[in-house]
Amino acid sequence: DIQMTQSPSTLSASVGDRVTITCRASQSISIWLAWYQQKPGKAPKLLIQKASTLESGVLSRFSGSGSGTEFTLTISSLQPEDFATYYCQQYHSYPLTFGGGTKVEIK
Amino acid sequence: EVQLVESGGDLLQPGGSLRLSCAASGFTFSGFEMNWVRQAPGKGLEWISYISGGGGNIYYADSVQGRFTISRDNAKNLLYLQMNNLRVEDTALYYCARDGGYGLTLDYWGQGTLVTVSS
Repeated sequence: DIQMTQSPSTLSASVGDRVTITCRASQSISIWLAWYQQKPGKAPKLLIQKASTLESGVLSRFSGSGSGTEFTLTISSLQPEDFATYYCQQYHSYPLTFGGGTKVEIK
Repeated sequence: EVQLVESGGDLLQPGGSLRLSCAASGFTFSGFEMNWVRQAPGKGLEWISYISGGGGNIYYADSVQGRFTISRDNAKNLLYLQMNNLRVEDTALYYCARDGGYGLTLDYWGQGTLVTVSS
C-alpha cells in the first residue's frame, strides 16, 4: 500500500498569511494526488485533482504542485473560511490512501 | 445537481450486522465507479471499498476484507455496504463517494451515516 505522510499535523496562522502544507508518498504516484478540505460536521470537499487542477468553483488562492512523491497545497492569503482540516489522497492505485490531515487553526 | 444520501447507520453490539445504503441522483449512476470511505470520531479518512460501474470489479481495504460486502443496484441508483461481524473499531461516520472517472477521483461525497459499535 502507498503511505501518505502530511506535514505539519497542525498549523497556526493568521488571516492573510501564506500557508503551505506538504504531502509525501511512499512511492511515486505521478500526478495522481488530490487535496480535500473538511470543516467540522461536514463531508470532505474536493479542492484539487491531478496534483494541481483546481475543481470548478474553488478560489484561485488555493494551488497545488508537485509530482512523483512530493506535493504541496498552498493557500496564498488565508481567509476566515479556510480554517479547516486538509487531507491529501493518492489515487495512483487501490487501496486509496489519505494523509493524516493538517488542521489549520487561527493564530 | 449530484446528490448522494447515505442511510442505515445505527448503534449495535460487536458481532452484529448492518446494511448501509447510498441513494444517488443527478447523474447517470451506472456510468460511475463508487466508493465507501469512513472516518472514526476525531480521526482521519479511511477508504474501505470500491465498486465499478457495472459491479464487476470490487476492492476492499484489508481492515474490512471478508466482513464487508459492497454492491449496487443500477436500476434503483443505490449503492450498498453490507457490514458483518462488526467490531468496536468499525465505529465511524461512513461516506459514499463518487469517482469522477479516468484520471479523476472522489469528486462528490454524501453527508455520511453514523455507525456505532459498542457493548
